[in-house]
Amino acid sequence: EAAVTQSPRSKVAVTGGKVTLSCHQTNNHDYMYWYRQDTGHGLRLIHYSYVADSTEKGDIPDGYKASRPSQENFSLILELASLSQTAVYFCAIRDRDTEVFFGKGTRLTVV
Amino acid sequence: GDSVTQTEGPVTVSESESLIINCTYSATSIAYPNLFWYVRYPGEGLQLLLKVITAGQKGSSRGFEATYNKETTSFHLQKASVQESDSAVYYCALGPSNYNVLYFGSGTKLTVEP
Repeated sequence: EAAVTQSPRSKVAVTGGKVTLSCHQTNNHDYMYWYRQDTGHGLRLIHYSYVADSTEKGDIPDGYKASRPSQENFSLILELASLSQTAVYFCAIRDRDTEVFFGKGTRLTVV
Repeated sequence: GDSVTQTEGPVTVSESESLIINCTYSATSIAYPNLFWYVRYPGEGLQLLLKVITAGQKGSSRGFEATYNKETTSFHLQKASVQESDSAVYYCALGPSNYNVLYFGSGTKLTVEP
């Protein structure tokens, strides 16, 4: 069973502040993803990575940066947090021909 | 584009009643789409409920079933008799596209009343 650990599990941030969400996996999977969930929108892909030191833009990358410094770690960075970025964020991992495994989510509230 | 549309929630049913959550998809860039149902229980991450990779086939798990219908581009989730423990949010998903990306529906929150 895959282990995907997200931290923090919840955070309150100030508008204009910097926020870093972290994701750690223990399965050595190549693919890692950051999704955002808003009520009525389901999960939307922000950034993903298929190899360490490389990240790619997903469907809604504006306002977010991503960093994959190692195979195990994938961070989502909000340089200037805004109210519209209040949401639940999910990290996910996948390897070729395997199912996707999700972390438990991070609830971010920007005030 | 590639997208998934599913029953808008919330949905409330009584225990032992039947359930259907509708899901339709559009796969324009995915040559051989796989279809998935994921479930998110309170306080947990999403977990795979069932998956079907071949059109015309049915997947089943925990009493839930879904049939991959290519003609109607549908993948509806059904259960004959729900239980309180089925209360969760259900997501229909389509993929994989390039780099194994999945596309998710908006989620349907199911509440089963005793």
